[in-house]
Amino acid sequence: GAGVSQSPSNKVTEKGKDVELRCDPISGHTALYWYRQSLGQGLEFLIYFQGNSAPDKSGLPSDRFSAERTGGSVSTLTIQRTQQEDSAVYLCASSSSGQWGFPEAFFGQGTRLTVV
Amino acid sequence: AQSVTQPDIHITVSEGASLELRCNYSYGATPYLFWYVQSPGQGLQLLLKYFSGDTLVQGIKGFEAEFKRSQSSFNLRKPSVHWSDAAEYFCAVGAKERGYNKLIFGAGTRLAVHP
Repeated sequence: GAGVSQSPSNKVTEKGKDVELRCDPISGHTALYWYRQSLGQGLEFLIYFQGNSAPDKSGLPSDRFSAERTGGSVSTLTIQRTQQEDSAVYLCASSSSGQWGFPEAFFGQGTRLTVV
Repeated sequence: AQSVTQPDIHITVSEGASLELRCNYSYGATPYLFWYVQSPGQGLQLLLKYFSGDTLVQGIKGFEAEFKRSQSSFNLRKPSVHWSDAAEYFCAVGAKERGYNKLIFGAGTRLAVHP
């Protein structure tokens, strides 16, 4: 596609429910990032994919968070048993994966998650 | 460990005034440095980046940034601010770890512009 697409754009869920957030990266981009942006905070790195594998899961806040990527394209971030502190904007970015330099990361519009 | 510090959480300037947003980084090797802007309700857009070479880099929308290795800084500047520049600005460092690229952001600086 023309850009990184995230869905839904907004999600309100009840505490304790599971949610799935979707990211559709730019076609051909092999690298994919998930970030969390809480009110007044910067962008907190969650996880990185190179193709379908995730060499770095260090940013996932707890075992309630998981992510997968299939076919080297779409990625899903799943939050189980949501808590109020999970309320944030979840941003996805994709880039080509160059050995040289540092490819530009293109961001989606984000999913605003509200846990009530 | 890599980190990025943006000391100013909020900055307010008058339209037409000059602007400087501060950014300090911590990274052991030669850094890849970026500034992104996030307008209300929008995703992040790359303003400019520094990889090597000339330490003064030009970006979009009239922004520039200067890399100072001795100060571990990469401050963003604009000579004359427009009302449409009101947004949140994020500085980031790109780190290469175990063969992949990791982008680490600062906490951001929210810019307000008075008419």
